[in-house]
Amino acid sequence: QQQVKQSPQSLIVQKGGIPIINCAYENTAFDYFPWYQQFPGKGPALLIAIRPDVSEKKEGRFTISFNKSAKQFSLHIMDSQPGDSATYFCAASYSNQAGTALIFGKGTTLSVSS
Amino acid sequence: NAGVTQTPKFQVLKTGQSMTLQCAQDMNHNSMYWYRQDPGMGLRLIYYSASEGTTDKGEVPNGYNVSRLNKREFSLRLESAAPSQTSVYFCASSDPPSTEAFFGQGTRLTVV
Repeated sequence: QQQVKQSPQSLIVQKGGIPIINCAYENTAFDYFPWYQQFPGKGPALLIAIRPDVSEKKEGRFTISFNKSAKQFSLHIMDSQPGDSATYFCAASYSNQAGTALIFGKGTTLSVSS
Repeated sequence: NAGVTQTPKFQVLKTGQSMTLQCAQDMNHNSMYWYRQDPGMGLRLIYYSASEGTTDKGEVPNGYNVSRLNKREFSLRLESAAPSQTSVYFCASSDPPSTEAFFGQGTRLTVV
């Protein structure tokens, strides 16, 4: 059972477009929602993150929108560039006695054409 | 600054063989993780550890064991490898309350 559902699986936009990637979750124990970016042959790297007490967070061209009541969050990439072509993962984390678990969505492969 | 180091980078095993994937971090992080990445499946959590001697199962723990040897090292063991365990394995670490996870470069494992 996928705890974090991500869509779409792939996305193609032209340079300057605004790709939007959506994620949904069920577990209300999640308390931190990061997005990771991965280039081929590399490990994922943190892009931007949000906590559920905030509805929006912007860092440069990347914006997270968070809807706590709907249990959904999304990533917007403004003025997308060919260098943004990568796989993007949403994630959610919760903590228990054993530690902090970070659960990922299935990923979205983004291609930005020039 | 090495960050998270995984060894080996590539490995081919025969069905039924055993092996241990090694992971070490030099950031003094408390939490460490093992993930597997398969096409179309994203990153799935195998095991995680909050500190030395503490581990817990993630989403897909069957067929794996882990050891948190000390604060720096977290190893993943396949006792009897199966073709279904062919995957790219990533180790990561973080330092709560900051939950940014830093990933290694991955180990590409093929079981034939």
